[in-house]
Amino acid sequence: QPQLQESGPGLVKPSETLSLTCTVSGGSITNRNYYWGWIRQPPGKGLEWIGSIYYSGSTFYNPSLESRVTISVDTSKNQISLRVRSVTAADTAVYYCARGEDQLMKLGTFDYWGQGSLVTVSS
Amino acid sequence: EVVVTQSPGTLSLSPGERATLSCRASQSVFLSQIAWYQQKPGQAPRLLIYGASSRATGVPDRFSGSGSETDFTLTISRLEPEDFAVYHCQQYGSSRTFGQGTRVEIK
Repeated sequence: QPQLQESGPGLVKPSETLSLTCTVSGGSITNRNYYWGWIRQPPGKGLEWIGSIYYSGSTFYNPSLESRVTISVDTSKNQISLRVRSVTAADTAVYYCARGEDQLMKLGTFDYWGQGSLVTVSS
Repeated sequence: EVVVTQSPGTLSLSPGERATLSCRASQSVFLSQIAWYQQKPGQAPRLLIYGASSRATGVPDRFSGSGSETDFTLTISRLEPEDFAVYHCQQYGSSRTFGQGTRVEIK
């Protein structure tokens, strides 16, 4: 079973860039059977998909966040990264990285998740 | 954007009872690409159902999903103590969007 661990600053100032890393163990992020994604959850609220990245390097983003978000991979470190630019208080959330299985009816779901990383946007 | 609406917001039931959770999409969901997740306090979500009715690996058979087009249901046939949690519905037929969640609490 893969294990995913998010890491990064817990506090980011408004207008700055939020950067998180997800380290994957127990499997290679280049395995073409899987894809990787970021999902966030504001305190006391529902889940919001941020974006996903596939083994080919292709990325797909939530249209509402696409102009501010970049997801990338570092294969040498088996890590996935998230950057959200120009943050506001509305970006305060627990950020999860997760894995999905590249099968037709599962494509878009996430079966393994990290424990989550709380990021607060405040001056 | 496909808007996903879950109801009720909170469901108060006793162990052993049947739970029926609703998920409605603002437009027909391509190939019934609906997933359900369970989330307990302080934990990450857990995938229960994909493709509207297929159980994920290791999910007990008391959990079942059904529905098509815009209306989907998650049923828990007999609530166990560990089933009291928040349940999230996700559509992934057009981009990916989640509902606001249904809390199943002990009555």
